[in-house]
Amino acid sequence: DAGVIQSPRHEVTEMGQEVTLRCKPISGHDYLFWYRQTMMRGLELLIYFNNNVPIDDSGMPEDRFSAKMPNASFSTLKIQPSEPRDSAVYFCASSLGRDTGELFFGEGSRLTVL
Amino acid sequence: EDQVTQSPEALRLQEGESSSLNCSYTVSGLRGLFWYRQDPGKGPEFLFTLYSAGEEKEKERLKATLTKKESFLHITAPKPEDSATYLCAVPSSSGSRLTFGEGTQLTVNP
Repeated sequence: DAGVIQSPRHEVTEMGQEVTLRCKPISGHDYLFWYRQTMMRGLELLIYFNNNVPIDDSGMPEDRFSAKMPNASFSTLKIQPSEPRDSAVYFCASSLGRDTGELFFGEGSRLTVL
Repeated sequence: EDQVTQSPEALRLQEGESSSLNCSYTVSGLRGLFWYRQDPGKGPEFLFTLYSAGEEKEKERLKATLTKKESFLHITAPKPEDSATYLCAVPSSSGSRLTFGEGTQLTVNP
């Protein structure tokens, strides 16, 4: 398997623009997580899905953020409108089963909002 | 609220100089403690799972241990390729949310 695939790897946009980050989890994994990493706050969980259903979105910072998982092989994280404070590396991760701490992370999408 | 604190923030070693990284945690009912390695520009990579006090896991030059309040990642005779940020994490009571520590950035000089 190719692992968790994220796109784009880098995104530079201007404040107010819509940003869409994409993720393809490992086939057969039933959990998908979106994390954000910054120097100030480290790795933070934004939202996670189980079998394509959002389970916990309490980490989503505000209504400008939304995530979807239309099928088992694809998820998106959208920011609309984007702000400079959204600049971070966004990671998607997948896992097999609920009680495992073994997450498989993608290489991340580095977002810069000017 | 679950808390995970790692120390030191950064550690610089000479090749072959053994040391330990610390991860202390405050959770209600530990359901495991996980160590990850993160290289620059990459996502974290899973290393170990520890479930109970006294448990130890080893992988090459790394050994992870767990007590009731903290975990240690011991690095024996490190090599430059061990340079990375090491993260520890604990799950929430529901088991699905991982709270990560801030990480220890390890640099091993040749």
